[in-house]
Amino acid sequence: QKEVEQDPGPLSVPEGAIVSLNCTYSNSAFQYFMWYRQYSRKGPELLMYTYSSGNKEDGRFTAQVDKSSKYISLFIRDSQPSDSATYLCAMLMFDYKLTFGKGTLLTVNP
Amino acid sequence: GAGVSQSPSNKVTEKGKDVELRCDPISGHTALYWYRQSLGQGLEFLIYFQGNSAPDKSGLPSDRFSAERTGGSVSTLTIQRTQQEDSAVYLCASSLGSGYSEQFFGPGTRLTVL
Repeated sequence: QKEVEQDPGPLSVPEGAIVSLNCTYSNSAFQYFMWYRQYSRKGPELLMYTYSSGNKEDGRFTAQVDKSSKYISLFIRDSQPSDSATYLCAMLMFDYKLTFGKGTLLTVNP
Repeated sequence: GAGVSQSPSNKVTEKGKDVELRCDPISGHTALYWYRQSLGQGLEFLIYFQGNSAPDKSGLPSDRFSAERTGGSVSTLTIQRTQQEDSAVYLCASSLGSGYSEQFFGPGTRLTVL
């Protein structure tokens, strides 16, 4: 079993929909939780990160962490075609090695 | 300012050949990372450099892989005697320091081994 599990999708939604992306993890030593967005042929870019359980909001994006269930989510409200990308969850212990999920390919259709 | 740059953007090579991939980190970033992204495996950590400390090579998949960082800046990832399973996108990232410090990724080098 991999340390981080993420459904690869693909996920296809109409413009304006609410998107929910999820990851589960098995290692309770993970302390930091991140979401990266990766456009085709580009490197990943950090969208959001959080340290504690709970919700963190940034514009149309909300990151949610439930450490008791070892479950993290990213919600995208009012999704736009420009949100079409691969979304990667990533986790970090108190060091530097990011452990990534496999990524979920999202397409937002106009 | 300039982000992380990598060269070449694409590399096609024949099985058994050696390849060198280059990474130029963001100026002032002391930490540098190499990752590999392949279909079915996702993004995997390969190696980490921090300042003048000994690199963490724990993610390198075999002794055919090596990396160096000269002058605390540019890094080169070398793959010797390439195999078809080495085909992947090799991503470099840099950050201001270790611990939780945002890692900025380059666009990657897409390696195809025929």
